[in-house]
Amino acid sequence: NAGVMQNPRHLVRRRGQEARLRCSPMKGHSHVYWYRQLPEEGLKFMVYLQKENIIDESGMPKERFSAEFPKEGPSILRIQQVVRGDSAAYFCASSPLLGTSLSGNTIYFGEGSWLTVV
Amino acid sequence: AQTVTQSQPEMSVQEAETVTLSCTYDTSENNYYLFWYKQPPSRQMILVIRQEAYKQQNATENRFSVNFQKAAKSFSLKISDSQLGDTAMYFCAFMRTSTSGTYKYIFGTGTRLKVLA
Repeated sequence: NAGVMQNPRHLVRRRGQEARLRCSPMKGHSHVYWYRQLPEEGLKFMVYLQKENIIDESGMPKERFSAEFPKEGPSILRIQQVVRGDSAAYFCASSPLLGTSLSGNTIYFGEGSWLTVV
Repeated sequence: AQTVTQSQPEMSVQEAETVTLSCTYDTSENNYYLFWYKQPPSRQMILVIRQEAYKQQNATENRFSVNFQKAAKSFSLKISDSQLGDTAMYFCAFMRTSTSGTYKYIFGTGTRLKVLA
């Protein structure tokens, strides 16, 4: 039973390029969360998605960042025109519907994608 | 807004000894969940232990246990018989239950624990 799969694990982009990070949730999980971890800091919530629906994007920067979770395929976090400050680890997590006894209100993390902007 | 505070940026402990990591949080909610996650040098986030706020009994997972003080809004993690593999960053996290369907974890800034041989 595969866990949360993220790819690529490491991505290097030049300033101004686009970065696409992919996340496949655990089997049976319909909810995906993206978190960002800047160097030497904790994880900051970015966005929470269901299939074809953004539930909460209150942590997403207003510009250049977008996320989707299509009906088929992985969730994508897209960063356009990257800048050096975007260099960070981006973690995806998944869960069943939270607030139910099935989930235990626990989310499970992938191994992260490390974006380096040069 | 909920906040989570970890006041110990770094700690060290001798192998086989016991160490306690502190965490406090601020919320006006009555129903919520608290978690400790471990991030070893591999950087993967690993769930260590979970506590439901409505449960008075402190959660325990093998060598890991918590001291949950709801009135004081404190949630410390005790690691007994520390092992070298426990060396990691430890993050405390809070999640409130919600009728609106919006759930998100709030993380503390982490405590870097080093277990010394």
